[in-house]
Amino acid sequence: DIQMTQSPSSLSASVGDRVTITCRASQGIGNDLAWYQQKPGKAPKRLIYAASNLQSWVPSRFSGSGSGTEFTLTVSSLQPEDFATYYCLQHNTYPRTFGQGTKVEIK
Amino acid sequence: EVQLVESGGGLVQPGGSLRLSCAASGFTFSNYWMSWVRQAPGKGPEWVANIKHDGSDKYYVDSVKGRFTISRDNAKNSLYLQMNSLRAEDTAVYSCARGGGGVDNWGQGTLVTVSS
Repeated sequence: DIQMTQSPSSLSASVGDRVTITCRASQGIGNDLAWYQQKPGKAPKRLIYAASNLQSWVPSRFSGSGSGTEFTLTVSSLQPEDFATYYCLQHNTYPRTFGQGTKVEIK
Repeated sequence: EVQLVESGGGLVQPGGSLRLSCAASGFTFSNYWMSWVRQAPGKGPEWVANIKHDGSDKYYVDSVKGRFTISRDNAKNSLYLQMNSLRAEDTAVYSCARGGGGVDNWGQGTLVTVSS
């Protein structure tokens, strides 16, 4: 199975901060990676697909990059509604595997 | 608007069975792979299984192989998960999701609790 190592597991940040979350795959997955945002009690929502493509509803302060084994999700200027838990998902091979999540909290 | 509504969860004893259903609307169900994903309390999501548009291909995470069966009825716009020989570690919210890879829409899920 491909292991997805996400870091950090949590972070505290202030409104306006730039935040970067990393996902590393245990083997190459091309750009078969998606990022999700989950708020408490809600289903995850896909932010980014194919490593760098934003869903239509996602503000441009979010961006995704990477290919192969290393991927990043960046929020250029954190807003109050961005405090949530973020997960990456690889869908290059079976079984599909998620990162363990990054909880973004208010400093 | 894509809508996915799961049902069928509940409390079941270890070794028991449950059948989950997912009613899909707002898109052409028969055009999409579909997936089941679960999330144990306080944990991250775990992919469980997926099924091709026409039901001809199915894939499972190892921990459920031989116990769970994914199926679909395109005439009813419905996805199913038959869960047998349930274990405590299967306790989770089970959600259906559209797609077979980087799934793009999730339902709110149905809670399955395996406990004596």
